Amino acid sequence: EVQLLESGGGLVQPGGSQRLSCAASGFTFTNYAMSWVRQAPGKGLEWVSTIRGSGGTTNYADSVEGRFIISRDNSQNTLYLQMNSLRAEDTAEYYCVKDVGDGALAGRFDYWGQGTLVTVSS
Amino acid sequence: AIRMTQSPSSFSASTGDRVTITCRASQGISSYLAWYQQKPGKAPKLLLYAASTLQSRVPSRFSGSGSGTDFTLTISCLQSEDFAAYYCQQYYSYPFTFGPGTKVDVK
Repeated sequence: EVQLLESGGGLVQPGGSQRLSCAASGFTFTNYAMSWVRQAPGKGLEWVSTIRGSGGTTNYADSVEGRFIISRDNSQNTLYLQMNSLRAEDTAEYYCVKDVGDGALAGRFDYWGQGTLVTVSS
Repeated sequence: AIRMTQSPSSFSASTGDRVTITCRASQGISSYLAWYQQKPGKAPKLLLYAASTLQSRVPSRFSGSGSGTDFTLTISCLQSEDFAAYYCQQYYSYPFTFGPGTKVDVK
């Protein structure tokens, strides 16, 4: 059974940093792209970032480019999101998401974690 | 970035109704479109991808169609568990983008 368990959310001040983690199990982690998708309270879904299975290729939304870094440790089956220079508008539930495939097959999200809430406020 | 729009933004329906939700892309995305269902307090669930391919274990009352810029999600006979928000998403190119969502509630 595929499981994605996020951690690391919480209250952080504007301008601060936070690192999210996602422990994955139930599938061959290195074979799949992984992503982060967020949802501000009461709002819609926003794709944040994707990393290929090998970890060699990453993509970011314009809204987080240069501030967030996605990474993965395939030996530990763990996905990360390092968030720097946080802003109030980054307040959201952050979902760790498994892709249906990798490479050209990326972009279809078949398993989602339960989410971790990041609140940016003073 | 490719902009996704959905219509309607919300509507009320009854169990047994046939329901259609429309999604439009600001430029052609071939069939690189997915649909998700989200219930309150829960993570989204993948329903269809490649515009019309049903994800494993999704009931056959859900169907999708379209290509290029115009797409539809149809629920042939609405069940009580289908009252939820629905999002389309393009994966034709980065940045991946979602539609704003369509909320289906009880009439």
